[in-house]
Amino acid sequence: DVKVTQSSRYLVKRTGEKVFLECVQDMDHENMFWYRQDPGLGLRLIYFSYDVKMKEKGDIPEGYSVSREKKERFSLILESASTNQTSMYLCASNRGEVQPQHFGDGTRLSIL
Amino acid sequence: AQSVTQLGSHVSVSEGALVLLRCNYSSSVPPYLFWYVQYPNQGLQLLLKYTSAATLVKGINGFEAEFKKSETSFHLTKPSAHMSDAAEYFCAVSLFVQGGSEKLVFGKGTKLTVNP
Repeated sequence: DVKVTQSSRYLVKRTGEKVFLECVQDMDHENMFWYRQDPGLGLRLIYFSYDVKMKEKGDIPEGYSVSREKKERFSLILESASTNQTSMYLCASNRGEVQPQHFGDGTRLSIL
Repeated sequence: AQSVTQLGSHVSVSEGALVLLRCNYSSSVPPYLFWYVQYPNQGLQLLLKYTSAATLVKGINGFEAEFKKSETSFHLTKPSAHMSDAAEYFCAVSLFVQGGSEKLVFGKGTKLTVNP
């Protein structure tokens, strides 16, 4: 069974801090994704990556960056955290085109 | 551009009643469509997917969805609701972006409540 692991379930940070959210998948998937989920807005794609060291902007990349140095790991970086980045962050991965995405359990991030 | 509309942010049914969650899509090409479920404090799990084979797709936990091109719909149904079906449900359409990579566009979600 595919396992997507997010390093923290809950995280509290302060405004202006640099925040790292880590995601690891164990199924050798090519594609990895970062979403944020807010009530009434559904899931919105922040960034995705279809190969090591490759990245593409999603629908809301502003204020975020990503890193994919190894195939199994995809990191989301908040360069200077702000309160409007308080949200649930979900990581996902899949093998290729039109394949189902497998999701981690999410990180609930609070920026104070 | 592909998009997804889920009608009804909240749906409430009685245990044993029919579950119907509505999803309409817009797509300029034959779509690939998905339904996901999210239980409290968890990530999303795939319920079922449509990839242009049979129009009636069966998924896990007794759910199924029917692709209707003429109505641009992909509604999710279950004949008899169970208390354990209480969750949030997301419809999604696959979008191919410039360069050939693919991403999912999600609807805003429908929260299903099941009353005893």
